[in-house]
Amino acid sequence: QKEVEQDPGPLSVPEGAIVSLNCTYSNSAFQYFMWYRQYSRKGPELLMYTYSSGNKEDGRFTAQVDKSSKYISLFIRDSQPSDSATYLCAMSGPSDRGSTLGRLYFGRGTQLTVWP
Amino acid sequence: DAGVTQSPTHLIKTRGQQVTLRCSPISGHKSVSWYQQVLGQGPQFIFQYYEKEERGRGNFPDRFSARQFPNYSSELNVNALLLGDSALYLCASSNGQGAREQFFGPGTRLTVL
Repeated sequence: QKEVEQDPGPLSVPEGAIVSLNCTYSNSAFQYFMWYRQYSRKGPELLMYTYSSGNKEDGRFTAQVDKSSKYISLFIRDSQPSDSATYLCAMSGPSDRGSTLGRLYFGRGTQLTVWP
Repeated sequence: DAGVTQSPTHLIKTRGQQVTLRCSPISGHKSVSWYQQVLGQGPQFIFQYYEKEERGRGNFPDRFSARQFPNYSSELNVNALLLGDSALYLCASSNGQGAREQFFGPGTRLTVL
């Protein structure tokens, strides 16, 4: 079982739709949860991160973490064609193998297309 | 401020060759991490360096090595290249050892023929 699972999609929505992206994970020691956006053939861009459980909002983006279910979500409101990209979830924290705090564990990414 | 920079942008090598990739972190950042991203997959952790010392290593063979210089820039070396090493190699920098906010460079696309 992979540490982080993410449905690769693809996901295609019309402009203005609410997009829901999510990841599940198996390691209960994860403490920090991030969402990155990656345009084709570019490096990932950090959108937001949350610590432990709860919600965090930044403009049209809302991140949710449910540690009891080991489930995280990213919601995009009023989606735009410029939001078309691959969205990667990532998380960090001491693993049962004692890995460095600096290690991020990524999902495989969900490819999103927002059409006009 | 400039973001994370990586060089070269693209690289084509043949099997068995050696390659060196370079990374300059954001000014003031002391931690550099390297990731490998195969097409269609998420990035996989290779190394973290903090204050010029290796602080973590992922599940990669000894053909992969890295170092960090006094100015906090870093090099990733891969020896005896295999076809499976073809990937986007990403460098990320952060202010501290923790991974909360890691900022990625544009990557180096390596193709092994």
